[in-house]
Amino acid sequence: AQKVTQAQTEISVVEKEDVTLDCVYETRDTTYYLFWYKQPPSGELVFLIRRNSFDEQNEISGRYSWNFQKSTSSFNFTITASQVVDSAVYFCALSEGYTNAGKSTFGDGTTLTVKP
Amino acid sequence: NAGVTQTPKFRVLKTGQSMTLLCAQDMNHEYMYWYRQDPGMGLRLIHYSVGEGTTAKGEVPDGYNVSRLKKQNFLLGLESAAPSQTSVYFCASSYHGVGGYEQYFGPGTRLTVT
Repeated sequence: AQKVTQAQTEISVVEKEDVTLDCVYETRDTTYYLFWYKQPPSGELVFLIRRNSFDEQNEISGRYSWNFQKSTSSFNFTITASQVVDSAVYFCALSEGYTNAGKSTFGDGTTLTVKP
Repeated sequence: NAGVTQTPKFRVLKTGQSMTLLCAQDMNHEYMYWYRQDPGMGLRLIHYSVGEGTTAKGEVPDGYNVSRLKKQNFLLGLESAAPSQTSVYFCASSYHGVGGYEQYFGPGTRLTVT
């Protein structure tokens, strides 16, 4: 069975600090997909990134970066020089295989508060 | 291109009443989903559909029914609402294929059952 753990329930930082959100996953499949979503105070869920199990390359997009390590079953998300607008709940999610690739298991989320 | 839309945005029901939540997507996605989100519990999958005319149970299906008569629409029904169904409901859709699988969400429906 697949499982996603986001051990950090809440994180609070001051603007311009760097912050890393942890995500640890469990799966028995060799083919799987990992995702991060953002839910700002407005409530909508926004897709940020997808990674498949065959691609361990880290990715950077502006101030956002993602570190995927199969050896530790982790897919961590770092925000560099955080801003108040980064305040949101962030969810990590996992989908297994090809048939179930569209069906994700979500972690409980990490609430990030960035103070000015 | 509206993406995923949900109707209504807010609703208050009395215990025992019924209602239907409508989800529509204009991205031609095969997969559609209904989730509920409760404080501190993340997103829990209620039902999902892998194509027109097909539906399947998710993690918390009891008390809900769904239908997917058209590819672009996915309906969630509550036949006899209970206070435990007070929640925010999200619909999502996804493309199933190379370069896809991520889900695109609607704005949510806040339901209160008194």
